[in-house]
Amino acid sequence: SAVISQKPSRDICQRGTSLTIQCQVDSQVTMMFWYRQQPGQSLTLIATANQGSEATYESGFVIDKFPISRPNLTFSTLTVSNMSPEDSSIYLCSVEQDTDQETQYFGPGTRLLVL
Amino acid sequence: AQTVTQSQPEMSVQEAETVTLSCTYDTSESDYYLFWYKQPPSRQMILVIRQEAYKQQNATENRFSVNFQKAAKSFSLKISDSQLGDAAMYFCAYRSAATQGGSEKLVFGKGTKLTVNP
Repeated sequence: SAVISQKPSRDICQRGTSLTIQCQVDSQVTMMFWYRQQPGQSLTLIATANQGSEATYESGFVIDKFPISRPNLTFSTLTVSNMSPEDSSIYLCSVEQDTDQETQYFGPGTRLLVL
Repeated sequence: AQTVTQSQPEMSVQEAETVTLSCTYDTSESDYYLFWYKQPPSRQMILVIRQEAYKQQNATENRFSVNFQKAAKSFSLKISDSQLGDAAMYFCAYRSAATQGGSEKLVFGKGTKLTVNP
């Protein structure tokens, strides 16, 4: 399976600031996804990021709050903007490999705490 | 919309014993995929096993196997010869198949916390 890395692994931020999370894959993939996992909860999809097109956001998530970039087939960023304590979560990226579609592999996650 | 239900918030098992985690789902689709993911305290989501709905044969991966009952919309995970390293949160997940024209997103259950006692 693909090797996925995320930066930073964790961060503590002040409310009102923004944080950009990076997701790097060791192979080219078409489909990348960003999920949020609030404390003690399950995973919820924020958006799907395909290279060459605008990200598709799920209900309840908007581009102004969670802008996403997908400049190439191995990299994506998620920005959490104007943060509040409610944004404290684990943010995970995942990919579907073109050779193994329908199965998503996850990065190690970014643990964010907003004070 | 599809939903996934894990009715056991917590389970425990003795080392070397067998444990079964339950998962049910609701869908009107005929073609889909089901997954079990493991999330240890390191928070990395690790794929445990995958099942294609069109396959009648239950998937197995070493000590992990599933009991897939399509008519009952049930997808349980059996862990045999439990090891201390199996301790984690286990999430059941559903994904529509491309043939259904549905979203590629995974729909997750709320998870089951598995404790393995030495």
